[in-house]
Amino acid sequence: DTGVSQDPRHKITKRGQNVTFRCDPISEHNRLYWYRQTLGQGPEFLTYFQNEAQLEKSRLLSDRFSAERPKGSFSTLEIQRTEQGDSAMYLCASSPRTGNDNSPLHFGNGTRLTVT
Amino acid sequence: AQTVTQSQPEMSVQEAETVTLSCTYDTSENNYYLFWYKQPPSRQMILVIRQEAYKQQNATENRFSVNFQKAAKSFSLKISDSQLGDTAMYFCAFRPRDDKIIFGKGTRLHILP
Repeated sequence: DTGVSQDPRHKITKRGQNVTFRCDPISEHNRLYWYRQTLGQGPEFLTYFQNEAQLEKSRLLSDRFSAERPKGSFSTLEIQRTEQGDSAMYLCASSPRTGNDNSPLHFGNGTRLTVT
Repeated sequence: AQTVTQSQPEMSVQEAETVTLSCTYDTSENNYYLFWYKQPPSRQMILVIRQEAYKQQNATENRFSVNFQKAAKSFSLKISDSQLGDTAMYFCAFRPRDDKIIFGKGTRLHILP
């Protein structure tokens, strides 16, 4: 168990540019989540996958945001035409889906995005 | 809408004291799960403790315990014999059955030497 891995750790970009983040979940976990966290706030749900299927997408997620998990393993989160309001920590988490839904989320270290 | 409310944005206690962090939630579900997560400064989020709503017995993990009051929709976290390493943001989280986890805004806890 190597844990949830996110890349890059930090990303600084200019407004209007596109950015893509990657998340590698724990290998046997079939659920993968993306959250956004701004300073001093709790994580806000963005989207989640079960295997390769995207099960839910938050209303917070504008058309500029897209996420994929093409083979049910790693996932990417892309933000197009970035805005300063997109600056935040983007957290990825994974969990196994078992019959018992008390499985906790295992979080990565996050990708901190700064839009200048 | 399901929501999680943490009414204490920030708390400070002396080392070795006991501290209680409050959390309330709103749901019409009967079966769900509750969690407390800890996020130390500049470090990743980790699970502290979890509780199934169908269990009446309060969960305990070493110095951490919860007071789960289902009728009141309250889920507080008690930290006994607090240590400097307990300094962190603490997030209460709620998970309806087979759905995403919803987090509160967090309580920043400072343990003072």
